[in-house]
Amino acid sequence: NAGVTQTPKFQVLKTGQSMTLQCAQDMNHEYMSWYRQDPGMGLRLIHYSVGAGITDQGEVPNGYNVSRSTTEDFPLRLLSAAPSQTSVYFCASSYSGTLGGKLFFGSGTQLSVL
Amino acid sequence: SQKIEQNSEALNIQEGKTATLTCNYTNYSPAYLQWYRQDPGRGPVFLLLIRENEKEKRKERLKVTFDTTLKQSLFHITASQPADSATYLCALDMGQGAQKLVFGQGTRLTINP
Repeated sequence: NAGVTQTPKFQVLKTGQSMTLQCAQDMNHEYMSWYRQDPGMGLRLIHYSVGAGITDQGEVPNGYNVSRSTTEDFPLRLLSAAPSQTSVYFCASSYSGTLGGKLFFGSGTQLSVL
Repeated sequence: SQKIEQNSEALNIQEGKTATLTCNYTNYSPAYLQWYRQDPGRGPVFLLLIRENEKEKRKERLKVTFDTTLKQSLFHITASQPADSATYLCALDMGQGAQKLVFGQGTRLTINP
């Protein structure tokens, strides 16, 4: 059972470049989300989805796009990378987004924007 | 907005002792409070969940308490081992489920042999 799989593990971008962080889960979870983790700031929610075709913004959505065409996949797109987007990104899923749902996390993508 | 503070960025404990980590929050009490463990270079892993009407929850050597009057949760690891060394995160569920979990910044725990 793979759980939540994120690719790539590491990425270096130049300012202005675009890229897509991939996330896939094989647990048939309805809920998926993207977080970024910065030193001293904890995990901050970027975007989330409660099912295929449904997405919504989290706390820090600017500069990022998402889509959810299948239950399994939830890619995160950086439209025009900025140094402020240097961070570690985590994808997470849950059986449902409702009360008491625990999150299953991927192993993260370390992104550096120069 | 809800603010979460986890005590000290780092905590060093002697092996065999009880480690106690604190999670304080402001404003409204969450419906649920969760604790996660994160190892370097890995994603967080769920450990325990406690509901607002529960005072205490246990799982093996782990114990979580939830005091809505003090607006605080305590996370205890008894008989600590070097393998318990990791960063521990608390997360508040304000009643909207996993879609709106708010995380603390984490406490890095080191258990010294």
